[in-house]
Amino acid sequence: DAGVIQSPRHEVTEMGQEVTLRCKPISGHNSLFWYRQTMMRGLELLIYFNNNVPIDDSGMPEDRFSAKMPNASFSTLKIQPSEPRDSAVYFCASSRYDRGLGTEAFFGQGTRLTVV
Amino acid sequence: KNQVEQSPQSLIILEGKNCTLQCNYTVSPFSNLRWYKQDTGRGPVSLTIMTFSENTKSNGRYTATLDADTKQSSLHITASQLSDSASYICVVSAKAGGGNKLTFGTGTQLKVEL
Repeated sequence: DAGVIQSPRHEVTEMGQEVTLRCKPISGHNSLFWYRQTMMRGLELLIYFNNNVPIDDSGMPEDRFSAKMPNASFSTLKIQPSEPRDSAVYFCASSRYDRGLGTEAFFGQGTRLTVV
Repeated sequence: KNQVEQSPQSLIILEGKNCTLQCNYTVSPFSNLRWYKQDTGRGPVSLTIMTFSENTKSNGRYTATLDADTKQSSLHITASQLSDSASYICVVSAKAGGGNKLTFGTGTQLKVEL
């Protein structure tokens, strides 16, 4: 398996533009997480899906952020309109719940977003 | 509120020396705790994972401990190498919604120097 695949790896956009980040989880995993990482705040959980259903979106900062998971192999995180303070690295992670071990989450390489 | 606190925030050590990183958490209901290593510009990679009943686990030169009573964990790195320079993140998993919710610490930035 190629692991969690995110695209694009880098995105530079102007303030006010719409940005869509994409994630392909590991096949067979039933949980998907979107995280944002900045120097100031570290890793922050934005939203968490289980079996394609959003379970906890309390970390989504504002209505400008939205996430979808239309099927088990694809998820998007959209920011509209984007602002400079959204600049960060956005990570997608997936996991398969194992009653014995709990969750082992595997991360993608991240999308570095810069909003100018 | 679920929280994970790590210390120190940053650490510089000489190559070959040992070091210990700390993690305190207030997460419930507890499922498991893992330590991740994150190299600059890359996603986190899991080092160890421990459930409630485990109090120590090793992965090469990395040894993690867990005290579920005091809700503390440590990561001990033996005979450090330059390649150990990275951010080390403590992650605690809580059972939620039929799956698990992860709470991340802000990490300890380790730099190993010659």
